Amino acid sequence: DAGVTQSPTHLIKTRGQQVTLRCSPKSGHDTVSWYQQALGQGPQFIFQYYEEEERQRGNFPDRFSGHQFPNYSSELNVNALLLGDSALYLCASSFTLESPLHFGNGTRLTVT
Amino acid sequence: SQQGEEDPQALSIQEGENATMNCSYKTSINNLQWYRQNSGRGLVHLILIRSNEREKHSGRLRVTLDTSKKSSSLLITASRAADTASYFCATAALNAGGTSYGKLTFGQGTILTVHP
Repeated sequence: DAGVTQSPTHLIKTRGQQVTLRCSPKSGHDTVSWYQQALGQGPQFIFQYYEEEERQRGNFPDRFSGHQFPNYSSELNVNALLLGDSALYLCASSFTLESPLHFGNGTRLTVT
Repeated sequence: SQQGEEDPQALSIQEGENATMNCSYKTSINNLQWYRQNSGRGLVHLILIRSNEREKHSGRLRVTLDTSKKSSSLLITASRAADTASYFCATAALNAGGTSYGKLTFGQGTILTVHP
């Protein structure tokens, strides 16, 4: 039974470019959340998707957008990349809203 | 912004010793969870304690929760070199319906190093 999978594992982009990160949740999970983790910090909540809709959003600008597909997989899109967007982006899925999160290994994004 | 404050920021101990990490938070919670992260990879859930619980055990882990002080502690007994990792507390806020929206607010973590 595969856990949460994310792709790609590493990505290098130039300031101003756009990026798409992908996530497949653990089998049986229908809720997907995205977190940004800067170096030396704890993860910060970006947004949560359930039934293909954004249900909650953290304190991130509109440059950060997402999508959830009918098979529960999800994408995170970031437009107009800034140097400060360099971070580990973590996808997490859960069985219910109150269940513990299962995290993927993340996508390391470097913006130069 | 980070809700949780974790203490200490770093902890270095010898194998076999106990490790205690503390976490404080600011708002009313539905539950508090502890996660472990190795070398900047994905986080692994360790234990969840609900707001109406005071103590919970799982193997070598013991978690306490004091909602009056808005604080929690994680105790790892008989530590091993393999316990070396970053440990994060995360809170799930209480919503008007008395449940959780599922959004977690993480602390900045404690880096634990266990020397063989």
